[in-house]
Amino acid sequence: SQTIHQWPATLVQPVGSPLSLECTVEGTSNPNLYWYRQAAGRGLQLLFYSVGIGQISSEVPQNLSASRPQDRQFILSSKKLLLSDSGFYLCACKLPPGQGNEKLFFGSGTQLSVL
Amino acid sequence: EDQVTQSPEALRLQEGESSSLNCSYTVSGLRGLFWYRQDPGKGPEFLFTLYSAGEEKEKERLKATLTKKESFLHITAPKPEDSATYLCAVQAGTNAGKSTFGDGTTLTVKP
Repeated sequence: SQTIHQWPATLVQPVGSPLSLECTVEGTSNPNLYWYRQAAGRGLQLLFYSVGIGQISSEVPQNLSASRPQDRQFILSSKKLLLSDSGFYLCACKLPPGQGNEKLFFGSGTQLSVL
Repeated sequence: EDQVTQSPEALRLQEGESSSLNCSYTVSGLRGLFWYRQDPGKGPEFLFTLYSAGEEKEKERLKATLTKKESFLHITAPKPEDSATYLCAVQAGTNAGKSTFGDGTTLTVKP
Protein backbone atom coordinates (compact mmCIF):
# COMPACT_ATOMS: atom_id res chain seq x y z
CA SER A 1 0.00 0.00 0.00
CA GLN A 2 1.10 3.53 -0.76
CA THR A 3 0.99 6.44 1.71
CA ILE A 4 0.96 10.00 0.42
CA HIS A 5 1.95 12.93 2.58
CA GLN A 6 0.61 16.23 1.35
CA TRP A 7 0.80 19.61 3.07
CA PRO A 8 -0.44 22.09 4.07
CA ALA A 9 -4.10 21.14 4.51
CA THR A 10 -5.29 24.72 4.07
CA LEU A 11 -3.61 27.69 2.44
CA VAL A 12 -4.77 31.29 1.92
CA GLN A 13 -2.62 33.32 -0.45
CA PRO A 14 -2.93 36.79 -2.02
CA VAL A 15 -3.16 37.21 -5.77
CA GLY A 16 0.30 37.51 -7.31
CA SER A 17 2.08 35.57 -4.56
CA PRO A 18 4.13 32.40 -5.27
CA LEU A 19 3.00 28.88 -4.47
CA SER A 20 4.74 25.65 -3.57
CA LEU A 21 2.84 22.50 -2.63
CA GLU A 22 4.81 19.39 -1.82
CA CYS A 23 3.83 15.75 -1.90
CA THR A 24 5.93 12.78 -0.78
CA VAL A 25 5.13 9.10 -1.26
CA GLU A 26 5.94 6.10 0.93
CA GLY A 27 5.92 2.66 -0.63
CA THR A 28 7.08 1.29 -3.95
CA SER A 29 9.79 2.86 -6.05
CA ASN A 30 9.18 4.60 -9.36
CA PRO A 31 5.47 5.29 -8.92
CA ASN A 32 3.46 7.32 -11.41
CA LEU A 33 2.60 10.64 -9.76
CA TYR A 34 -0.28 13.01 -10.46
CA TRP A 35 -1.57 16.43 -9.46
CA TYR A 36 -5.33 16.89 -9.67
CA ARG A 37 -7.47 19.95 -8.94
CA GLN A 38 -11.07 19.72 -7.79
CA ALA A 39 -13.53 22.61 -7.97
CA ALA A 40 -16.37 22.65 -5.43
CA GLY A 41 -18.96 20.00 -6.28
CA ARG A 42 -17.04 18.80 -9.31
CA GLY A 43 -14.84 15.91 -10.31
CA LEU A 44 -11.07 15.82 -10.51
CA GLN A 45 -9.20 17.59 -13.30
CA LEU A 46 -5.75 16.22 -14.10
CA LEU A 47 -3.11 18.97 -14.11
CA PHE A 48 0.22 17.14 -14.35
CA TYR A 49 1.56 13.61 -14.32
CA SER A 50 5.03 12.10 -14.05
CA VAL A 51 6.32 8.64 -14.89
CA GLY A 52 9.83 9.26 -13.56
CA ILE A 53 12.31 11.73 -12.08
CA GLY A 54 12.42 14.92 -14.12
CA GLN A 55 9.63 13.72 -16.44
CA ILE A 56 6.59 16.00 -16.31
CA SER A 57 3.59 16.11 -18.64
CA SER A 58 1.09 18.94 -18.51
CA GLU A 59 -2.55 18.26 -19.27
CA VAL A 60 -3.99 21.76 -19.43
CA PRO A 61 -2.51 25.17 -20.17
CA GLN A 62 -2.30 27.07 -16.94
CA ASN A 63 -0.44 29.26 -14.51
CA LEU A 64 1.07 26.30 -12.66
CA SER A 65 4.13 24.10 -13.07
CA ALA A 66 5.26 20.82 -11.56
CA SER A 67 8.58 19.20 -10.79
CA ARG A 68 9.79 15.80 -9.61
CA PRO A 69 13.28 16.26 -8.15
CA GLN A 70 13.30 12.86 -6.43
CA ASP A 71 11.58 9.54 -7.13
CA ARG A 72 8.95 9.99 -4.43
CA GLN A 73 8.66 13.77 -4.34
CA PHE A 74 6.26 15.81 -6.47
CA ILE A 75 6.00 19.60 -6.26
CA LEU A 76 3.34 21.94 -7.63
CA SER A 77 4.41 25.57 -8.07
CA SER A 78 3.36 28.95 -9.33
CA LYS A 79 5.32 32.19 -9.64
CA LYS A 80 2.22 34.40 -9.40
CA LEU A 81 -1.14 33.06 -8.25
CA LEU A 82 -4.41 34.03 -9.95
CA LEU A 83 -7.90 34.04 -8.44
CA SER A 84 -8.75 31.14 -10.76
CA ASP A 85 -6.06 28.99 -9.11
CA SER A 86 -8.28 28.53 -6.06
CA GLY A 87 -9.40 24.96 -5.49
CA PHE A 88 -8.74 21.66 -3.77
CA TYR A 89 -5.41 20.19 -4.90
CA LEU A 90 -4.81 16.48 -4.66
CA CYS A 91 -1.60 14.54 -5.14
CA ALA A 92 -2.01 10.92 -6.24
CA CYS A 93 0.18 7.98 -7.09
CA LYS A 94 -0.13 4.67 -8.89
CA LEU A 95 2.05 1.60 -8.88
CA PRO A 96 4.39 1.33 -11.88
CA PRO A 97 2.99 -0.55 -14.90
CA GLY A 98 2.85 -4.31 -14.42
CA GLN A 99 2.80 -4.18 -10.63
CA GLY A 100 -0.87 -4.76 -10.09
CA ASN A 101 -4.08 -2.84 -9.72
CA GLU A 102 -4.20 0.44 -11.63
CA LYS A 103 -5.98 2.26 -8.80
CA LEU A 104 -4.90 5.65 -7.52
CA PHE A 105 -3.83 6.41 -3.97
CA PHE A 106 -4.60 9.98 -2.90
CA GLY A 107 -3.19 12.40 -0.39
CA SER A 108 -5.44 14.32 1.98
CA GLY A 109 -5.47 17.41 -0.24
CA THR A 110 -4.72 21.12 0.08
CA GLN A 111 -7.56 23.64 0.02
CA LEU A 112 -6.09 26.73 -1.66
CA SER A 113 -7.90 30.06 -1.49
CA VAL A 114 -6.46 32.91 -3.54
CA LEU A 115 -7.80 36.28 -2.40
CA GLU B 1 -11.55 12.14 -25.75
CA ASP B 2 -12.54 10.03 -22.75
CA GLN B 3 -15.75 11.12 -21.02
CA VAL B 4 -17.50 10.13 -17.81
CA THR B 5 -20.99 11.23 -16.80
CA GLN B 6 -22.46 10.42 -13.41
CA SER B 7 -26.08 10.60 -12.35
CA PRO B 8 -27.82 11.74 -10.31
CA GLU B 9 -25.74 14.65 -9.03
CA ALA B 10 -27.25 14.22 -5.57
CA LEU B 11 -29.24 11.43 -3.94
CA ARG B 12 -31.01 11.52 -0.61
CA LEU B 13 -32.11 8.22 0.90
CA GLN B 14 -33.66 7.07 4.12
CA GLU B 15 -31.63 4.56 6.08
CA GLY B 16 -32.37 1.11 4.66
CA GLU B 17 -33.67 2.45 1.32
CA SER B 18 -31.66 0.75 -1.45
CA SER B 19 -30.75 2.56 -4.69
CA SER B 20 -28.22 2.76 -7.53
CA LEU B 21 -25.76 5.32 -8.85
CA ASN B 22 -24.99 5.47 -12.56
CA CYS B 23 -21.74 6.11 -14.42
CA SER B 24 -21.86 6.36 -18.22
CA TYR B 25 -18.57 6.42 -20.08
CA THR B 26 -16.92 6.65 -23.48
CA VAL B 27 -13.28 5.62 -23.72
CA SER B 28 -10.86 4.35 -26.34
CA GLY B 29 -9.90 0.92 -25.11
CA LEU B 30 -11.02 0.56 -21.50
CA ARG B 31 -8.17 -0.44 -19.22
CA GLY B 32 -10.28 -0.18 -16.08
CA LEU B 33 -13.26 1.54 -14.49
CA PHE B 34 -12.84 2.69 -10.92
CA TRP B 35 -15.15 3.72 -8.10
CA TYR B 36 -13.90 5.94 -5.29
CA ARG B 37 -15.53 7.32 -2.15
CA GLN B 38 -14.74 10.88 -1.07
CA ASP B 39 -15.63 12.39 2.30
CA PRO B 40 -15.81 16.20 2.61
CA GLY B 41 -12.39 17.85 2.69
CA LYS B 42 -10.53 14.59 2.10
CA GLY B 43 -8.91 12.73 -0.76
CA PRO B 44 -10.82 9.98 -2.57
CA GLU B 45 -10.51 6.41 -1.31
CA PHE B 46 -10.52 3.44 -3.66
CA LEU B 47 -13.53 1.13 -3.65
CA PHE B 48 -13.54 -1.06 -6.78
CA THR B 49 -11.87 -1.73 -10.11
CA LEU B 50 -13.85 -3.33 -12.95
CA TYR B 51 -12.09 -4.48 -16.11
CA SER B 52 -14.64 -6.05 -18.45
CA ALA B 53 -18.35 -6.08 -19.20
CA GLY B 54 -20.26 -8.44 -16.94
CA GLU B 55 -17.85 -8.12 -14.07
CA GLU B 56 -19.20 -7.47 -10.57
CA LYS B 57 -17.48 -6.58 -7.29
CA GLU B 58 -18.96 -6.38 -3.79
CA LYS B 59 -17.91 -4.83 -0.52
CA GLU B 60 -20.25 -4.71 2.45
CA ARG B 61 -23.40 -2.84 1.30
CA LEU B 62 -21.89 -1.81 -2.06
CA LYS B 63 -21.93 -3.71 -5.34
CA ALA B 64 -20.43 -2.42 -8.58
CA THR B 65 -21.35 -3.74 -12.03
CA LEU B 66 -20.06 -2.98 -15.52
CA THR B 67 -21.48 -3.04 -19.05
CA LYS B 68 -19.87 -1.82 -22.27
CA LYS B 69 -21.32 1.66 -21.80
CA GLU B 70 -21.99 2.17 -18.09
CA SER B 71 -21.38 1.09 -14.55
CA PHE B 72 -23.72 0.98 -11.59
CA LEU B 73 -22.94 1.26 -7.92
CA HIS B 74 -25.73 -0.44 -6.02
CA ILE B 75 -26.20 0.44 -2.37
CA THR B 76 -28.22 -2.05 -0.36
CA ALA B 77 -29.83 -0.99 2.94
CA PRO B 78 -27.59 2.07 3.32
CA LYS B 79 -26.59 3.52 6.68
CA PRO B 80 -25.82 7.17 7.54
CA GLU B 81 -22.10 6.37 7.46
CA ASP B 82 -22.43 5.63 3.74
CA SER B 83 -23.04 9.35 3.16
CA ALA B 84 -20.25 10.63 0.89
CA THR B 85 -19.52 11.62 -2.69
CA TYR B 86 -18.97 8.64 -4.98
CA LEU B 87 -16.66 9.22 -7.94
CA CYS B 88 -16.37 7.13 -11.07
CA ALA B 89 -13.22 7.18 -13.23
CA VAL B 90 -11.93 5.42 -16.36
CA GLN B 91 -8.45 4.65 -17.63
CA ALA B 92 -7.79 4.10 -21.31
CA GLY B 93 -5.36 1.51 -22.55
CA THR B 94 -2.46 3.72 -23.54
CA ASN B 95 -2.45 6.91 -21.52
CA ALA B 96 0.24 6.54 -18.84
CA GLY B 97 -2.34 5.58 -16.26
CA LYS B 98 -4.24 8.85 -16.48
CA SER B 99 -7.74 8.65 -15.04
CA THR B 100 -10.72 10.67 -16.28
CA PHE B 101 -13.22 11.39 -13.52
CA GLY B 102 -16.93 12.13 -13.49
CA ASP B 103 -18.32 14.92 -11.32
CA GLY B 104 -19.58 12.48 -8.71
CA THR B 105 -22.83 11.66 -6.95
CA THR B 106 -23.29 13.06 -3.46
CA LEU B 107 -25.20 10.56 -1.35
CA THR B 108 -26.94 11.56 1.86
CA VAL B 109 -28.48 8.85 4.01
CA LYS B 110 -30.90 10.08 6.68
CA PRO B 111 -31.41 8.03 9.87
